[in-house]
Amino acid sequence: EDQVTQSPEALRLQEGESSSLNCSYTVSGLRGLFWYRQDPGKGPEFLFTLYSAGEEKEKERLKATLTKKESFLHITAPKPEDSATYLCAVYDSNYQLIWGAGTKLIIKP
Amino acid sequence: GAGVSQSPSNKVTEKGKDVELRCDPISGHTALYWYRQRLGQGLEFLIYFQGNSAPDKSGLPSDRFSAERTGESVSTLTIQRTQQEDSAVYLCASSLFTIAVFARSYEQYFGPGTRLTVT
Repeated sequence: EDQVTQSPEALRLQEGESSSLNCSYTVSGLRGLFWYRQDPGKGPEFLFTLYSAGEEKEKERLKATLTKKESFLHITAPKPEDSATYLCAVYDSNYQLIWGAGTKLIIKP
Repeated sequence: GAGVSQSPSNKVTEKGKDVELRCDPISGHTALYWYRQRLGQGLEFLIYFQGNSAPDKSGLPSDRFSAERTGESVSTLTIQRTQQEDSAVYLCASSLFTIAVFARSYEQYFGPGTRLTVT
């Protein structure tokens, strides 16, 4: 069964403390992996699309990487405004987008 | 440019009443998606449209839920005889195409959601 699992469920960091969020997937024939950010009371905001193993994309303090089984969202020197829930999603073999449950990131000043 | 908009932003209704939720996608986006998100939980896929056609309705929770899209633009999600378990945020998203059209991925852009509370 196609699955997307995100870990940890929640992560508390001090401002400036770098870390990584994980998204592992079990789909055959990856057709794209997406990272989104969701703030409370808002819809998800698109961050990155990754297509093939070895691919990396960066935006400000965020860098997303992809292997054959998982993706990492690296956060370098985070600020309180980076606090949000980060969602990962992949397409399955039926062209349905499967969403992970998300990682709630809290950055303390 | 304008993003995805949804209305109303909040809706409180009594159990048993029907509700209609509206989504205006980004202009030119042929694909439109509806999701449900219960408090503190992940996204639950409901239905998608490619143009005005909905190839897969299997995500709709029950026959009380229906959706339509006209003119490759506005979509409405209708919930009949609402129940308390229908309380959630209903999110709409649009993308240029669905993956099935050109076998490549297109990112989805989300609206702010409609918070539905059934009392």
